[in-house]
Amino acid sequence: DTGVSQDPRHKITKRGQNVTFRCDPISEHNRLYWYRQTLGQGPEFLTYFQNEAQLEKSRLLSDRFSAERPKGSFSTLEIQRTEQGDSAMYLCASSRMGSEFDTQYFGPGTRLTVL
Amino acid sequence: KNQVEQSPQSLIILEGKNCTLQCNYTVSPFSNLRWYKQDTGRGPVSLTIMTFSENTKSNGRYTATLDADTKQSSLHITASQLSDSASYICVVSDQAGTALIFGKGTTLSVSS
Repeated sequence: DTGVSQDPRHKITKRGQNVTFRCDPISEHNRLYWYRQTLGQGPEFLTYFQNEAQLEKSRLLSDRFSAERPKGSFSTLEIQRTEQGDSAMYLCASSRMGSEFDTQYFGPGTRLTVL
Repeated sequence: KNQVEQSPQSLIILEGKNCTLQCNYTVSPFSNLRWYKQDTGRGPVSLTIMTFSENTKSNGRYTATLDADTKQSSLHITASQLSDSASYICVVSDQAGTALIFGKGTTLSVSS
């Protein structure tokens, strides 16, 4: 399967713990996006990378959140000192700059539950 | 404020019937509008993409329309199947792909 993959698919953690999620984009895609989706809502943009550079961050991305894409390939999203309000589906998407419409292809998501 | 509103919030139809989902947006400047299908527990999958100059686009049993003057779009599903049960999300881009504004989605349930 050459689509976007995310790991883990599910994560249950206790409030105050740190968690890290990984996203592997489609191999030739140089843009990578992170979104958060809560139940009954559409995805909300968190941050976006072009190659290894983080070009845009949403105000939703508090200081407890950090994302990296060190080699311009896979990306990690870390949440420190998790809160119950962080419980959500975290979606990763990738696209190829210059492709028609820059279509974003989404991964299956990581569902986070903070107890 | 850039917003995307979808209606209805949820819809239940019988297998084989047609249905139409609505999307209104206030995004400006407008680049393109996409409809995504999201199965439960999965990431969204793109169905159609339309630019300002396009009025309609089809993808199999899915037909999307766009009226850029009234800032409205619709997604028509013909001869629904059980596998059409999903959330359908309208997404509008105000730049060349990087900034996407998502609607909350319409949850469609197709029953036999």
